[in-house]
Amino acid sequence: AQRVTQPEKLLSVFKGAPVELKCNYSYSGSPELFWYVQYSRQRLQLLLRHISRESIKGFTADLNKGETSFHLKKPFAQEEDSAMYYCALSDKGAQKLVFGQGTRLTINP
Amino acid sequence: EPEVTQTPSHQVTQMGQEVILRCVPISNHLYFYWYRQILGQKVEFLVSFYNNEISEKSEIFDDQFSVERPDGSNFTLKIRSTKLEDSAMYFCASSRDGPSSEAFFGQGTRLTVV
Repeated sequence: AQRVTQPEKLLSVFKGAPVELKCNYSYSGSPELFWYVQYSRQRLQLLLRHISRESIKGFTADLNKGETSFHLKKPFAQEEDSAMYYCALSDKGAQKLVFGQGTRLTINP
Repeated sequence: EPEVTQTPSHQVTQMGQEVILRCVPISNHLYFYWYRQILGQKVEFLVSFYNNEISEKSEIFDDQFSVERPDGSNFTLKIRSTKLEDSAMYFCASSRDGPSSEAFFGQGTRLTVV
């Protein structure tokens, strides 16, 4: 069964410090992985996906099939990064996203 | 920038009543979804809809639930005979090319069953 695990419900770091939000997945095929973000009072929106291999707002994520992980990283956190972050998996054969439970990231000044 | 719109933003209903949650997906999108998030829990998939029919549904999406695209623009979720445990935030989403493409989410409807 498909499963996405985000082990940290809460993560707090200081501004300027590196950030890593962990995501592990369980899937037998070739998954497509995404990070979605929800800023305060805003809707859930796509941050990045592993296929595009791009950096968005300074965030990157690398798919590690050996460790079945898709951790989200940023070298220098900014206060505006405070938000709820969700890792999600898409099964090409299925018409749905499977979400992790989310990590609330707080950047302290 | 086009957005997915959901109404109402908050709905309070009595247990046993029927509710209809409404969504207007982005106009050139072909895939539509409903997800829900019970307070403190993860976002859960309910149903996906493509080409005027359900393409996939979860175990949660039983006979109590139904979806409809009545007029080519709206996408509705009907919950019959609501239960206390149906209280949740319900999100509508749409995408152009299926789940591998970016899903655009609405602001959500908070359903409270009392």
